[in-house]
Amino acid sequence: EVQLVESGGGLVQPGGSLRLSCAASGFTFSSYDMHWVRQATGKGLEWVSAIGTAGDTYYPGSVKGRFTISRENAKNSLYLQMNSLRAGDTAVYYCARERSPTTGKFLPDAFDIWGQGTMVTVSS
Amino acid sequence: SYVLTQPPSVSVAPGQTARITCGGNNIGSKSVHWYQQKPGQAPVLVVYDDSDRPSGIPERFSGSNSGNTATLTISRVEAGDEADYYCQVWDSSSDHLFVFGTGTKVTVL
Repeated sequence: EVQLVESGGGLVQPGGSLRLSCAASGFTFSSYDMHWVRQATGKGLEWVSAIGTAGDTYYPGSVKGRFTISRENAKNSLYLQMNSLRAGDTAVYYCARERSPTTGKFLPDAFDIWGQGTMVTVSS
Repeated sequence: SYVLTQPPSVSVAPGQTARITCGGNNIGSKSVHWYQQKPGQAPVLVVYDDSDRPSGIPERFSGSNSGNTATLTISRVEAGDEADYYCQVWDSSSDHLFVFGTGTKVTVL
């Protein structure tokens, strides 16, 4: 079964750090571009970061310089290192897979597999 | 930054047709994807590349895209279709490369 399982969420103080993990199974992880998407309670979806199969990374300005996405293909794992956390970063964080496998070139596609999400709360 | 605008809510009776719009500047030139999200659950892809359906998604779900509006159509609506729906595109000139719409709550009367 194709599956993504996030972990690592929790309560952290403003200015603190947290590392999220996403364990992939059931597919050739190294062949897919991967993403993190977040959703604040009662709000819409917001794209947070992406990593291509070649390790190229992409961020929106709201998290650039604070968040780092990485992958470890040997462990079928995706990570999100979050530093300098703010109250506005409070959300459920989902990892998501793009629909089509790629071979090095980042090719934007729909997100066909999502994890169940992990909650991050930034509060003092 | 590229903006995708959806109506906050759409109400439809069972068996009828729901149409959810997604407005964006020249969205017809982009590939639009649609997600369904039920309370407490992760989003599910229901339409990709404007009008294609992933395996397992009923034919009742269809999409179109032209000009400044993309549309997700749900035919013969069932109670189980009640959910939030989001459109999404990729925009290389936007800060958020992957842009989601504001979301539409579909209520089955």
